[in-house]
Amino acid sequence: DQQVKQNSPSLSVQEGRISILNCDYTNSMFDYFLWYKKYPAEGPTFLISISSIKDKNEDGRFTVFLNKSAKHLSLHIVPSQPGDSAVYFCAAPGGGSQGNLIFGKGTKLSVKP
Amino acid sequence: EAGVAQSPRYKIIEKRQSVAFWCNPISGHATLYWYQQILGQGPKLLIQFQNNGVVDDSQLPKDRFSAERLKGVDSTLKIQPAKLEDSAVYLCASSLDRLAYGYTFGSGTRLTVV
Repeated sequence: DQQVKQNSPSLSVQEGRISILNCDYTNSMFDYFLWYKKYPAEGPTFLISISSIKDKNEDGRFTVFLNKSAKHLSLHIVPSQPGDSAVYFCAAPGGGSQGNLIFGKGTKLSVKP
Repeated sequence: EAGVAQSPRYKIIEKRQSVAFWCNPISGHATLYWYQQILGQGPKLLIQFQNNGVVDDSQLPKDRFSAERLKGVDSTLKIQPAKLEDSAVYLCASSLDRLAYGYTFGSGTRLTVV
């Protein structure tokens, strides 16, 4: 049973436009969420996080929105750049130990020049 | 600061053979994780160490997988014997402590079992 779901395997946007990556979760006990970015042949890199006490967190071109009632979060990238092309994973702490992260399957973003 | 180092980068073995992966975490990081990422999936935790003690190995297939972190620094993950379904990228990550969720991953070891 997937507790963190990314239902769009891929997304293609034009350079300069907005990219919106979506993530849904099923466990209402989750209170912290993270986004990771992964380039081919590299490990995932932490991008941005949000606590459940907030509904928005912004860092430069990256903003994460959290809708607790819908159990939904989204990552907005504005403006999108070709260097943003990567796989983006949504994750939440869960499982039996502190530190363990439950990841979604990822969304591959392609930003076209 | 140097990142998380992993070796080898790639490994191809036949089923029923054994294989070992090595990880050197960021200096001073007490918590070390091994994740398995199967193609098309997100990473899944195999084992978590706090210093040289195991915190969580509930998802480690203990009949074939083993891991150790001697002296609370480097770690090795071993598979013996390997199965076809073990083909995946094995990612090591480290953090200062358990609550530092934005932890740092290494580049991973891509294992292919044929």
